[in-house]
Amino acid sequence: SQKIEQNSEALNIQEGKTATLTCNYTNYSPAYLQWYRQDPGRGPVFLLLIRENEKEKRKERLKVTFDTTLKQSLFHITASQPADSATYLCALSSYNDMRFGAGTRLTVKP
Amino acid sequence: GAVVSQHPSRVICKSGTSVKIECRSLDFQATTMFWYRQFPKQSLMLMATSNEGSKATYEQGVEKDKFLINHASLTLSTLTVTSAHPEDSSFYICSASNRDRPFRGYTFGSGTRLTVV
Repeated sequence: SQKIEQNSEALNIQEGKTATLTCNYTNYSPAYLQWYRQDPGRGPVFLLLIRENEKEKRKERLKVTFDTTLKQSLFHITASQPADSATYLCALSSYNDMRFGAGTRLTVKP
Repeated sequence: GAVVSQHPSRVICKSGTSVKIECRSLDFQATTMFWYRQFPKQSLMLMATSNEGSKATYEQGVEKDKFLINHASLTLSTLTVTSAHPEDSSFYICSASNRDRPFRGYTFGSGTRLTVV
């Protein structure tokens, strides 16, 4: 069965450091992979999308890599800030289908 | 930017009654809408996928007679929880894909907190 795993349930880092979150998947061939941010009691907010034929995507302090051989995506937040504290979800999509990992709760301490 | 409006944000209902949740795309046409439920500290679980003008596709284990989905137009999908029970209490979220911008991610509603008493 399809499986999406995010490396840890929770990640705590110091302000200014780079946060790295991992998303691994099995039994799936996504057309593209997305990362979302979710704050408590709110719907997810789209951050970045990377297609299967792309290796890396950047947006301001965010960077996503996608390795379809390893079946893994890495999500980096550089120069992290306390305001980056939230749960980050990876989602795999194949045209009309989208499934989420369990999420990693990131806490950036001042 | 793309906005999805979901109502109500919170609802409390009595066991045995039905509740309707609306999901509207405000400034784009949504070819496909997805409905998820989320339990505390858990990820979103896909319940069903609905395409405008056709029957929804339900995930395994989701009762289609209990969770009625209607996608009557390109901007509106509704989820009706019929004969609600306390175990249906959850956070329900919809999302929509923009057919004009298929590779720009999905837009989510703000969610509906359903409590069945």
